[in-house]
Amino acid sequence: GAVVSQHPSRVICKSGTSVKIECRSLDFQATTMFWYRQFPKQSLMLMATSNEGSKATYEQGVEKDKFLINHASLTLSTLTVTSAHPEDSSFYICSAQRGPPYEQYFGPGTRLTVT
Amino acid sequence: DAKTTQPNSMESNEEEPVHLPCNHSTISGTDYIHWYRQLPSQGPEYVIHGLTSNVNNRMASLAIAEDRKSSTLILHRATLRDAAVYYCIISPQIGSGTYKYIFGTGTRLKVLA
Repeated sequence: GAVVSQHPSRVICKSGTSVKIECRSLDFQATTMFWYRQFPKQSLMLMATSNEGSKATYEQGVEKDKFLINHASLTLSTLTVTSAHPEDSSFYICSAQRGPPYEQYFGPGTRLTVT
Repeated sequence: DAKTTQPNSMESNEEEPVHLPCNHSTISGTDYIHWYRQLPSQGPEYVIHGLTSNVNNRMASLAIAEDRKSSTLILHRATLRDAAVYYCIISPQIGSGTYKYIFGTGTRLKVLA
């Protein structure tokens, strides 16, 4: 149990376009989901905390108007990268929290390349 | 936020035990200690977690110091498939039923055949 999926697994888009990434908890309900970004050879950086039915809470330095998060149901959260630029190219990973004891289960990640 | 300190890298021979240390001196009383590992281009995989007592599961053991300021992940017999980056994470509560993960730099474990 505790499987989290992400779609797509990799995406290439042109600069200025928007990209939507889906995160689904397949076999449990997650009131809280998280979005992370990881650059090559670096650790995961938390971008935002998403609670079902409410606005996401963004970490300091993360532009909420650029990274739109929607958590419409207990099994689905989406991250939309708006007006993407090459510097947004990264590995985006979501997680879903199950609990107690509130451990997170991570998706396989989405590789975004902006050309 | 509670921070963790881990060695950047460690090596182990195959079939031998591995002890991965983590310091978390600013941990609060209700913070859980989690361990995850990550293979290249994959999401982190849950390994084990604990609060105060030592924990065992099929993957590993977690030894928590009495003062909770440090912990050690123990892989009893390392295999080549255990080569990964191991993250020790403290998760403070940020809301009702919501715990945040702050990832440190992790330990890159290399397993030698």
